[in-house]
Amino acid sequence: DVKVTQSSRYLVKRTGEKVFLECVQDMDHENMFWYRQDPGLGLRLIYFSYDVKMKEKGDIPEGYSVSREKKERFSLILESASTSQTSMYLCASSLEILAGNEQYFGPGTRLTVT
Amino acid sequence: GEDVEQSLFLSVREGDSSVINCTYTDSSSTYLYWYKQEPGAGLQLLTYIFSNMDMKQDQRLTVLLNKKDKHLSLRIADTQTGDSAIYFCAPRAGSYIPTFGRGTSLIVHP
Repeated sequence: DVKVTQSSRYLVKRTGEKVFLECVQDMDHENMFWYRQDPGLGLRLIYFSYDVKMKEKGDIPEGYSVSREKKERFSLILESASTSQTSMYLCASSLEILAGNEQYFGPGTRLTVT
Repeated sequence: GEDVEQSLFLSVREGDSSVINCTYTDSSSTYLYWYKQEPGAGLQLLTYIFSNMDMKQDQRLTVLLNKKDKHLSLRIADTQTGDSAIYFCAPRAGSYIPTFGRGTSLIVHP
């Protein structure tokens, strides 16, 4: 079974702190994604990566950056956390995009910025 | 980009059928997914349909696709309390990444 793990289930940070959210997948998937999920807004794509060291902006990249130094690991970075970034963050991975493969999701990290 | 619309809530009685509807805007959508999110968990693929199909049945689940109206529906027969979750419609078009709807919270009561 594919497993996508996220470093924390719950995280509380202060405004202005630098925040790292880590995601690891164990199935050698090429593609990895970061979403945020907010009530009534569904999932919105922040960034995705289709290969090591490659990244593409999603729909809402402002205030975030990402890093993919190894195929299995995709990190989301909040350079200076703000209260508007309080949300549930979901990581996902998939095989080659063109093949229409499903995405596998991690359990999510609920981030609260105070 | 693609717009995906779903109603936010659906309440049904245990044993009844549930129908969750979704409309989308991009007629070139090729794969149309339904994901399920149980409380406190990430999303899991429930089922999907290719754009060249009108219907797909998988045990209690039936997916209907009306390409002309760009309408997708998910029917759950004999709905159980364990079906209570958020259901996301996610069509995938030319960008090769699915666009997720807002999710429909299915509430099943006895």
